[in-house]
Amino acid sequence: DGGITQSPKYLFRKEGQNVTLSCEQNLNHDAMYWYRQDPGQGLRLIYYSQIVNDFQKGDIAEGYSVSREKKESFPLTVTSAQKNPTAFYLCASSISSRGGYEQYFGPGTRLTVT
Amino acid sequence: AQRVTQPEKLLSVFKGAPVELKCNYSYSGSPELFWYVQYSRQRLQLLLRHISRESIKGFTADLNKGETSFHLKKPFAQEEDSAMYYCALRGRGSTLGRLYFGRGTQLTVWP
Repeated sequence: DGGITQSPKYLFRKEGQNVTLSCEQNLNHDAMYWYRQDPGQGLRLIYYSQIVNDFQKGDIAEGYSVSREKKESFPLTVTSAQKNPTAFYLCASSISSRGGYEQYFGPGTRLTVT
Repeated sequence: AQRVTQPEKLLSVFKGAPVELKCNYSYSGSPELFWYVQYSRQRLQLLLRHISRESIKGFTADLNKGETSFHLKKPFAQEEDSAMYYCALRGRGSTLGRLYFGRGTQLTVWP
């Protein structure tokens, strides 16, 4: 079940600590995305990157940072400035082809900050 | 501004009953619409896209531009349809653009 991998599945941190969530894809997709999934809130876009060394803020970028040094990797750092970091984080990549546009999602990382 | 609205947070039906999950959108143009599904302990995955005009797992969705809706329908619900369903919109003209998701509808199909 390759494609997009996120690690770890569960992550626990103390308040005030930065934490980095990993996202790797072997689909050769140019674009990658980070979402936050909270009950009743749906998927909210944090950051996205359409190409290596370039990324854009999504709807809720405050308190987060990303990098895109390699095509296959798009790590997300949750900083201590994020006021409510406990959530389920989803990474995705996308392709646009003759078959249409589709985003592929990873299994997610559940972050708990106490 | 783009917006996707799923008015029902929860929806319950009995097995064999018809089911309709509502999705309305706001977009100043001609969008692409999608339905994504997340089964328990599985990844979020594409169910269908309006461009394909296909039926997947018995589900269909028709884009109604007049009503700006993209409701998901199935004539006879099955227990395995129980899942979280998300409607999503992508603006046309962007080759690697983003998706705008609704808040999701949790469908429960009772035996």
